[in-house]
Amino acid sequence: QSVLTQPPSVSGAPGQRVTISCTGSSSNIGAGYDVHWYQQFPGTTPKLLIYGSTNRPSGVPDRFSGSRSGTSASLAITGLQAEDEADYYCQSYDRSLTNWVFGGGTKLAVL
Amino acid sequence: QVQLVQSGAVLKRPGASVKVSCKASGYSFTIYAISWVRQAPGQGLEWMGWISPYNGYTDYAQNLQDRVTITADTSTSTVYVELRSLRSDDTAVYYCARSVLSEGMDVWGQGTTVTVSS
Repeated sequence: QSVLTQPPSVSGAPGQRVTISCTGSSSNIGAGYDVHWYQQFPGTTPKLLIYGSTNRPSGVPDRFSGSRSGTSASLAITGLQAEDEADYYCQSYDRSLTNWVFGGGTKLAVL
Repeated sequence: QVQLVQSGAVLKRPGASVKVSCKASGYSFTIYAISWVRQAPGQGLEWMGWISPYNGYTDYAQNLQDRVTITADTSTSTVYVELRSLRSDDTAVYYCARSVLSEGMDVWGQGTTVTVSS
């Protein structure tokens, strides 16, 4: 069981908006630690998509946005495109474990 | 450009040890921590541990701390992960990644496939 909980899968039609949730606890997200999001296509290296809960690295389209509230965080993708179909992972730091922790990952399907 | 280049794929027998390298270039090596992350076939990402090349400080995932050691050689800008007493469920792609607590893992190595099989 992952310390951060994500839905196994989400789906949406092209052009729609989807959100992926990441639920933690008072020892990680709720303790104020930043949340980061990664995008991974099959057989490829993960790519940093959102850092510091809400920031996009250079080159990441503004269709991708992050938010955080309490012990949870979310990744939103607007104007869904076929090439967004990938696995998405959230990540934070857990002060009880003194470890970085990942969510279990969410597979996004573009219908 | 900033990059992390890892050593090649390996096949190991159960009970053996493996050591994977990650050579950094294009930035000041001692400024950024390096994490190791692994991904078993069809599974998610698992953080294994990290090292600060500046002072050698390390921290490990609780479920691996008895079997894993991460080291850094500042003379060659290379980080290593060693995993001992290998089991079949250690079969995975192992990644190194430049890590900052507030900024995530922004640069990743290409991955090293470690296969544990008799």
